[in-house]
Amino acid sequence: DAKTTQPNSMESNEEEPVHLPCNHSTISGTDYIHWYRQLPSQGPEYVIHGLTSNVNNRMASLAIAEDRKSSTLILHRATLRDAAVYYCILTSSGGSYIPTFGRGTSLIVHP
Amino acid sequence: NAGVTQTPKFQVLKTGQSMTLQCAQDMNHEYMSWYRQDPGMGLRLIHYSVGAGITDQGEVPNGYNVSRSTTEDFPLRLLSAAPSQTSVYFCASSSTETNTEAFFGQGTRLTVV
Repeated sequence: DAKTTQPNSMESNEEEPVHLPCNHSTISGTDYIHWYRQLPSQGPEYVIHGLTSNVNNRMASLAIAEDRKSSTLILHRATLRDAAVYYCILTSSGGSYIPTFGRGTSLIVHP
Repeated sequence: NAGVTQTPKFQVLKTGQSMTLQCAQDMNHEYMSWYRQDPGMGLRLIHYSVGAGITDQGEVPNGYNVSRSTTEDFPLRLLSAAPSQTSVYFCASSSTETNTEAFFGQGTRLTVV
């Protein structure tokens, strides 16, 4: 799977929007972009995924650059419960879907 | 729907002891995998399976064995525990579709003394 690059940490204030960036300059045309998050002392949980178009769900929005070399996870109104490590992962449609994790971005949310 | 169930949640072993970490899923997923997570680190892949009877090594397989005799279960065996295997272990399962999500268990916190 192609590699991703994320900032080590980001900070936000409660009820403000948060934009978490991910660079994936070597992405191939069939790679999906997945985001997971890991709350303290828990296993990772799925947040959102996309291929080319922007995606929205009840948890977040995913904005994908036109050239697909970067993407941004958007939390519209951060809450204290959103404090977690966020992982951006690429998966190839030609291979088995076994997520490979980097270090992710640790999001700190201030009251 | 139980999802992915890991047992035990906590375990303390002495160096040289053996044990099996259990993982079961009830979603009929073909893919299952084991990860370890050390403090301040991301998850590293130990072993994975793409179906019953098929297993393969991940990034850090040494010291661990796996087998997949059924679709539901994917146990991880430590044959001779070492302090370096102190970690939090996560099991995950996913379907064969790459545009769906993987499901993770709540983890097993293992301490080897």
